[in-house]
Amino acid sequence: DSGVTQTPKHLITATGQRVTLRCSPRSGDLSVYWYQQSLDQGLQFLIQYYNGEERAKGNILERFSAQQFPDLHSELNLSSLELGDSALYFCASSVGLREISYNEQFFGPGTRLTVL
Amino acid sequence: GQQVMQIPQYQHVQEGEDFTTYCNSSTTLSNIQWYKQRPGGHPVFLIQLVKSGEVKKQKRLTFQFGEAKKNSSLHITATQTTDVGTYFCALEYGNKLVFGAGTILRVKS
Repeated sequence: DSGVTQTPKHLITATGQRVTLRCSPRSGDLSVYWYQQSLDQGLQFLIQYYNGEERAKGNILERFSAQQFPDLHSELNLSSLELGDSALYFCASSVGLREISYNEQFFGPGTRLTVL
Repeated sequence: GQQVMQIPQYQHVQEGEDFTTYCNSSTTLSNIQWYKQRPGGHPVFLIQLVKSGEVKKQKRLTFQFGEAKKNSSLHITATQTTDVGTYFCALEYGNKLVFGAGTILRVKS
């Protein structure tokens, strides 16, 4: 158990819909990262928040957005869903000090999103 | 953009055989991380290498960082069935963590 929790575990929805994925970081971690893992694209970094502020942005679509709340939990919002958005979405957390790559990241169990 | 090549893509070994995965970057790295993801699981941090030529060991796992800091390897001695999974290298590019495509390891008992 990494200490990072994600809900829901599974999500099945239809094209055009909007969903929200939730992540609670490890106690004491200030940084939250979101990743998308699909068979053809591998593990893709989406976005990072540090103590409530956006810190780094990856290959995140404009239809996707995220935020980190004062209690440090984070939500990833996916809208106008397409079939290709079906994937495993991981949240990770770290202490958040120094540059991104110096931080050991602890991954949550993931949310499996299926868009029909 | 940043080029990260991880090879091989897939390896199937007999239990007891050794295994090595390689990660190559197109640019000089400040550091590199390695993660393991078991089937159906999530990535788990294994190690971080920072210094040129660095070698670190964790039981049967040996991690190396190249002298030029552009490549790294993970070697497993005498694989066991518990070693199955996907091994990823991860490196920083433009304040983002870029993961290699991963090497899938299967172990036949």
